[in-house]
Amino acid sequence: DAKTTQPPSMDCAEGRAANLPCNHSTISGNEYVYWYRQIHSQGPQYIIHGLKNNETNEMASLIITEDRKSSTLILPHATLRDTAVYYCIAPASGYALNFGKGTSLLVTP
Amino acid sequence: EAQVTQNPRYLITVTGKKLTVTCSQNMNHEYMSWYRQDPGLGLRQIYYSMNVEVTDKGDVPEGYKVSRKEKRNFPLILESPSPNQTSLYFCASSSNRVLHFGDGTRLSIL
Repeated sequence: DAKTTQPPSMDCAEGRAANLPCNHSTISGNEYVYWYRQIHSQGPQYIIHGLKNNETNEMASLIITEDRKSSTLILPHATLRDTAVYYCIAPASGYALNFGKGTSLLVTP
Repeated sequence: EAQVTQNPRYLITVTGKKLTVTCSQNMNHEYMSWYRQDPGLGLRQIYYSMNVEVTDKGDVPEGYKVSRKEKRNFPLILESPSPNQTSLYFCASSSNRVLHFGDGTRLSIL
């Protein structure tokens, strides 16, 4: 798996966009970037994934730099329910071995 | 409803007493996996299975066994549990590399 680096924690005001960065400078050409989140101690929930192009779904947007060495997950209008740990992973085989420690996002009123 | 079901959700037991945590998925997924989550260490993979009768070690397989006799079930077996296996365990399944997780099993080994 490509090594990913995320800030341990971030804050965001409710209603504002939350931009969560991830560095994956060792990613290879065919490795996708996946984002999951985990609320409290629930099972992680899939958010979005991408290879080269930017992606958007009903939950979030994913911006991947042209050199693919980093990406940003964007929650356009964060709510209190978005408070969670967000994991960025780039598994070599497509199935993650480890999720790392992620970024703990706190959305404040 | 598509889901991954783990049982039990909580278990307190003693060292050396064999236990099995069951995992079942109703999505006909070929891939299944077990993870453990410990404070400060994130989620780490224990074992995974690419299909029936095909299993392989993940990052932290010591002390665990698995079996995959049928596609929907992937039980995690602790033959002789020890206190260092006290953890939160998650089962996951996938058909297209997107993982679907169960609600977790919190094991306490005394």
